[in-house]
Amino acid sequence: EPEVTQTPSHQVTQMGQEVILRCVPISNHLYFYWYRQILGQKVEFLVSFYNNEISEKSEIFDDQFSVERPDGSNFTLKIRSTKLEDSAMYFCASSGNGQPYEQYFGPGTRLTVT
Amino acid sequence: GNSVTQMEGPVTLSEEAFLTINCTYTATGYPSLFWYVQYPGEGLQLLLKATKADDKGSNKGFEATYRKETTSFHLEKGSVQVSDSAVYFCALISRAAGNKLTFGGGTRVLVKP
Repeated sequence: EPEVTQTPSHQVTQMGQEVILRCVPISNHLYFYWYRQILGQKVEFLVSFYNNEISEKSEIFDDQFSVERPDGSNFTLKIRSTKLEDSAMYFCASSGNGQPYEQYFGPGTRLTVT
Repeated sequence: GNSVTQMEGPVTLSEEAFLTINCTYTATGYPSLFWYVQYPGEGLQLLLKATKADDKGSNKGFEATYRKETTSFHLEKGSVQVSDSAVYFCALISRAAGNKLTFGGGTRVLVKP
């Protein structure tokens, strides 16, 4: 069964450093998303991406964040200068054209900023 | 805006007990409703969904009915197993508010043998 994959599973970085979280969505999907979950809190929407551009973003997704689909398979989230409060589990998700509201999630990347 | 409220856990049950997790929502427009499950150490898995009023979503013995009149989507399972121990998230998408999922806070369920 096709699945969304994410790497790395755990990333530790120092405050102020740049990080790139990587995702490989399901191959025939067209909509891509990033969500995050701070420990003990709700899963929150960050950004959605379709047709090579951001279709929607939350207020969390400020200028420190960017997304990219550099090739036909990867979807990345970059945080330019990490802050302590960026520590969270980051989930990538994708959905297909026929069922755009049925999102499939990856296993997540735990980001720890020290 | 959209919001989802679900009962706080943890919920601790014995094997073969009946499970109910309450979920209510507020939404702009006509939402689609979902339950996701997160097993220990894993990501979020879509458990079931319902896209219109009175629809019943079902999967792996779990059921939830879309109740527009009470704005609820309660999750039920008649006889739980130890393997059902997980965190369960109620969520919605409102087409008036784009494709983003709005999640409840999650309910941890622990099933003891």
